[in-house]
Amino acid sequence: DGGITQSPKYLFRKEGQNVTLSCEQNLNHDAMYWYRQDPGQGLRLIYYSQIVNDFQKGDIAEGYSVSREKKESFPLTVTSAQKNPTAFYLCASKEAGGFLHEQFFGPGTRLTVL
Amino acid sequence: AQKVTQAQTEISVVEKEDVTLDCVYETRDTTYYLFWYKQPPSGELVFLIRRNSFDEQNEISGRYSWNFQKSTSSFNFTITASQVVDSAVYFCALSEARQAGTALIFGKGTTLSVSS
Repeated sequence: DGGITQSPKYLFRKEGQNVTLSCEQNLNHDAMYWYRQDPGQGLRLIYYSQIVNDFQKGDIAEGYSVSREKKESFPLTVTSAQKNPTAFYLCASKEAGGFLHEQFFGPGTRLTVL
Repeated sequence: AQKVTQAQTEISVVEKEDVTLDCVYETRDTTYYLFWYKQPPSGELVFLIRRNSFDEQNEISGRYSWNFQKSTSSFNFTITASQVVDSAVYFCALSEARQAGTALIFGKGTTLSVSS
């Protein structure tokens, strides 16, 4: 089955630690995205990548980093510089070809800072 | 500035009631796409519909229907004869040609609770 997987589903982090959230897709999509969801805030874009070895900051990139070494993988690192990292993180991907295609989402990772 | 507004934060209905979720958008582009997604308690967003700016025909899919009106910049979603399984958070989203990375711009979502 084609789809997007995210791991882990739940993640607990101590303050001051970096953590990496995994996102893998087997849909052969070129573009991948990371969103953050907070209660009542909708989804906000953290980073996106339209092609391997290239990525761009979204609206709330501070305190986060990404890499795109392979087409199918787009891991997100939440660094200690992120002041309020507790949130639900969603990864998405879509076909190339502009803005008309819908994005497909993974099941999400819920990060809690202890 | 927020470009997608879902003014209804929460809606509660009883099963079999009809319910309409409102979405108002703002864009300077003449070419854009609008989307609706459903987020059940499991968390994963499920794609429901895509509509381009040149197609104002209403669409019906089973109990779901969508009303797109460019004159009022609205793309409303109606669930007919609601069911408990419809309980979820629903997001309206906008995709513009000029938006960097062609990322989606989401509204803040409407939480729908359907009770039996």
